[in-house]
Amino acid sequence: GQSLEQPSEVTAVEGAIVQINCTYQTSGFYGLSWYQQHDGGAPTFLSYNGLDGLEETGRFSSFLSRSDSYGYLLLQELQMKDSASYFCAVNTGNQFYFGTGTSLTVIP
Amino acid sequence: DAGVIQSPRHEVTEMGQEVTLRCKPISGHNSLFWYRQTMMRGLELLIYFNNNVPIDDSGMPEDRFSAKMPNASFSTLKIQPSEPRDSAVYFCASSFPPGNTEAFFGQGTRLTVV
Repeated sequence: GQSLEQPSEVTAVEGAIVQINCTYQTSGFYGLSWYQQHDGGAPTFLSYNGLDGLEETGRFSSFLSRSDSYGYLLLQELQMKDSASYFCAVNTGNQFYFGTGTSLTVIP
Repeated sequence: DAGVIQSPRHEVTEMGQEVTLRCKPISGHNSLFWYRQTMMRGLELLIYFNNNVPIDDSGMPEDRFSAKMPNASFSTLKIQPSEPRDSAVYFCASSFPPGNTEAFFGQGTRLTVV
């Protein structure tokens, strides 16, 4: 089966940096994705790591260590609009399994 | 492309009634997924289609749930009979293999069973 673990809640100050961790156990692994979901909205894709290392997309970066079954999402220069839920998702090659999500609250 | 389109956006029904949720994936996407989202269980994968064929329905909670994909541009998720515990947001998503690095989600159907 598939199992992903993330912190349930994180609070950070506007302008700061926050890291959201994800550990996973899976049968079949192609890569780790991150999605953002605002209240009442649909999950939207942020980044994908198929190989070990860091991927950077603007203020967001994502890291993967396949040997440790671990990844993280790094959000820099936090803005109020970044308050949302963030999900890591394992890509097994043909399916996506999601973690339970981390609710990020950005405070002034 | 308009993205993944789901209908209805909201559905309120009485316990015991049949509910049908609809999804139109992005044109050209071969894979389609149905997810259910609740506070308690997060985003659960219910069923996955590839080229209109159901590949894995192990996430379908019970026989009251069924899903079909009669062609590449349309899928339905049916609950019959519905129960209050089925209340959730149901998302449809599509992607393009091989690789499938990104799933594109519809806006979801918020189902309330009273």
